[in-house]
Amino acid sequence: AQSVTQLGSHVSVSEGALVLLRCNYSSSVPPYLFWYVQYPNQGLQLLLKYTSAATLVKGINGFEAEFKKSETSFHLTKPSAHMSDAAEYFCAVSEANTGNQFYFGTGTSLTVIP
Amino acid sequence: NAGVMQNPRHLVRRRGQEARLRCSPMKGHSHVYWYRQLPEEGLKFMVYLQKENIIDESGMPKERFSAEFPKEGPSILRIQQVVRGDSAAYFCASSPPGQGGPNEQFFGPGTRLTVL
Repeated sequence: AQSVTQLGSHVSVSEGALVLLRCNYSSSVPPYLFWYVQYPNQGLQLLLKYTSAATLVKGINGFEAEFKKSETSFHLTKPSAHMSDAAEYFCAVSEANTGNQFYFGTGTSLTVIP
Repeated sequence: NAGVMQNPRHLVRRRGQEARLRCSPMKGHSHVYWYRQLPEEGLKFMVYLQKENIIDESGMPKERFSAEFPKEGPSILRIQQVVRGDSAAYFCASSPPGQGGPNEQFFGPGTRLTVL
């Protein structure tokens, strides 16, 4: 069965510092992986997705993530944090044979310190 | 192209009442998903529907919860005889017809249900 683990429910970084949000997954077949961002009282917005093409995926707002099969990881990074990056971030996994169902991690709340 | 629409955005019900949550998918999307988000938790899958068909309801509670996606009109998530534990944010997502693998799901703004 698929599952997602996001280490660190709360992450704080200084403005301009590197952002690293961790995501590990389990999947019995090659997965499809997604990062979503949620701002307060809003729905989820897709940041980026991995669908078995290039292992380094670039998304919106300067975020990127690297798929590492050997580590079953899909960590999200951004070189320089901006105040507007403060939000909740969710990693999700899906498989082609599960009817498109997404399994979400419990989320990481990112705080950016001025 | 309007995004996924959900209404109402906020819904207050007393214990024992019924809650009806509506979701209109993006234009051209035939797949609808419902998720529930409890405070301080991630989203939990509830049900996956296509027009007039329930494809996967493995995440739906066995009692009181039902969902439909009729040929015409929005998808409806119905919760009968609500209890306080049903208080949560309910998100709807839609995606276009599949092309061999999971597609990006586009999320609505959610309906926040409060049960008094």
